Amino acid sequence: KNQVEQSPQSLIILEGKNCTLQCNYTVSPFSNLRWYKQDTGRGPVSLTIMTFSENTKSNGRYTATLDADTKQSSLHITASQLSDSASYICVVSARSGNTPLVFGKGTRLSVIA
Amino acid sequence: NAGVTQTPKFRILKIGQSMTLQCTQDMNHNYMYWYRQDPGMGLKLIYYSVGAGITDKGEVPNGYNVSRSTTEDFPLRLELAAPSQTSVYFCASSYPPGQYSYEQYFGPGTRLTVT
Repeated sequence: KNQVEQSPQSLIILEGKNCTLQCNYTVSPFSNLRWYKQDTGRGPVSLTIMTFSENTKSNGRYTATLDADTKQSSLHITASQLSDSASYICVVSARSGNTPLVFGKGTRLSVIA
Repeated sequence: NAGVTQTPKFRILKIGQSMTLQCTQDMNHNYMYWYRQDPGMGLKLIYYSVGAGITDKGEVPNGYNVSRSTTEDFPLRLELAAPSQTSVYFCASSYPPGQYSYEQYFGPGTRLTVT
C-alpha cells in the first residue's frame, strides 16, 4: 500500500534555531517527492520537488534531501523565523499516469520567540 | 493571475442539504483536483479532471459529484450532506503529470461543517 509517514507530528523550536523534519515513503514506482508548506487556514504551497536522481534541493532557508534507496527524505530549515510556523507536508508521486499524489499527515512546526 | 480561487470560504449545512463548492483557475491548466483534509490527516483526492468534459474518481468520491464544462471551472457538488463530510476542501490545478515542473497549485480552501 502506498503510504507516506512523517515525523515528528509536531515540533516547537526557538526562533533562530535549525530543525529537520523526516519523511518515509513506500510509494512505488517512485516518480517525485515534494515538500509543501501549509499555513493555518490556507492551501499548501510548494517548497521543493525532487525526482529520483536528485539528492538535494534548496529553496532559500529550506533544504530537502532524498535517499531513493532507503525511501527517506528530510526537510532542513535553517535559522528559523516566526513565519516558518506552519504544517510541512511530504507528498510522493508514483510514476504511473494519473495516480493520485500520496500525502503525509504533516509535521506541525511552531517557532517561538 | 489570481491563481486558484474557491468560494465560499466557510459554510454550515444541515444533514441532508445540498451545496456546490466553486473552484476557478486562471492559469489555463488542463488538470484540476478536489481534495478533502480532515483534522490531523493527509489530503485525500475526491475527484479530478484532465480537461473540459472529462472527470474521474479519486480515492474518496462517495457522496460527491463534479462537472467540468470549461477549462477554468471545476465545481464540486455535495448531495444529501452527512456529518462525515465535515472537512476542509481544497481545489488544485496543474499542467499534465509527466512534465517535470508539474506543480499543483492549491486554492485557499472551503471549511464545511455538516450538523
